Amino acid sequence: AQSVAQPEDQVNVAEGNPLTVKCTYSVSGNPYLFWYVQYPNRGLQFLLKYITGDNLVKGSYGFEAEFNKSQTSFHLKKPSALVSDSALYFCAVRGNDYKLSFGAGTTVTVRA
Amino acid sequence: DAGVIQSPRHEVTEMGQEVTLRCKPISGHNSLFWYRQTMMRGLELLIYFNNNVPIDDSGMPEDRFSAKMPNASFSTLKIQPSEPRDSAVYFCASSFTGPGNEQFFGPGTRLTVL
Repeated sequence: AQSVAQPEDQVNVAEGNPLTVKCTYSVSGNPYLFWYVQYPNRGLQFLLKYITGDNLVKGSYGFEAEFNKSQTSFHLKKPSALVSDSALYFCAVRGNDYKLSFGAGTTVTVRA
Repeated sequence: DAGVIQSPRHEVTEMGQEVTLRCKPISGHNSLFWYRQTMMRGLELLIYFNNNVPIDDSGMPEDRFSAKMPNASFSTLKIQPSEPRDSAVYFCASSFTGPGNEQFFGPGTRLTVL
């Protein structure tokens, strides 16, 4: 069975500071990893994904994520957070089938 | 492209009533997913269609829930009869088939069963 752990329910940072949202995963075979963001009363919005290749993946809105196979992690990062980045972030993993397993989500609050 | 379209955006109904949620996937996508999101259980996959055929409905809570996809551009999720514990946000998502393809989510339907 595949699973995702997001160890922090909440992350609070000041605007302009670096932002990191942690994610670890478990899956059989090669992992396909995704990050999504959800704003209040909206659907999930795709940010970035790792399929293969370079371990550092760049996505939308200045976000990036680093795939670490030995640590089975896929942490989301942004060098300089904005107040508008405040939202709920989900990490998700997929094996060689259609099922996308989501983490419980991390609420990010960026204070001005 | 308008993205995944869901209707209605909000639905308030009374226990025992039939509820039908609708979804129009992104044109060209051949995989469609229905999810339910609650505070207690997070995001749950209810059913997965590929090329309009239901592949996995193991996430459907019980016989009160049913889903159809009569063609590539339309799907419905029906709850009959509805119960208060069905109150949740229901999302439809679509994608191209294949594990490396991201899913695109609709805005969701917030269902409240009184």
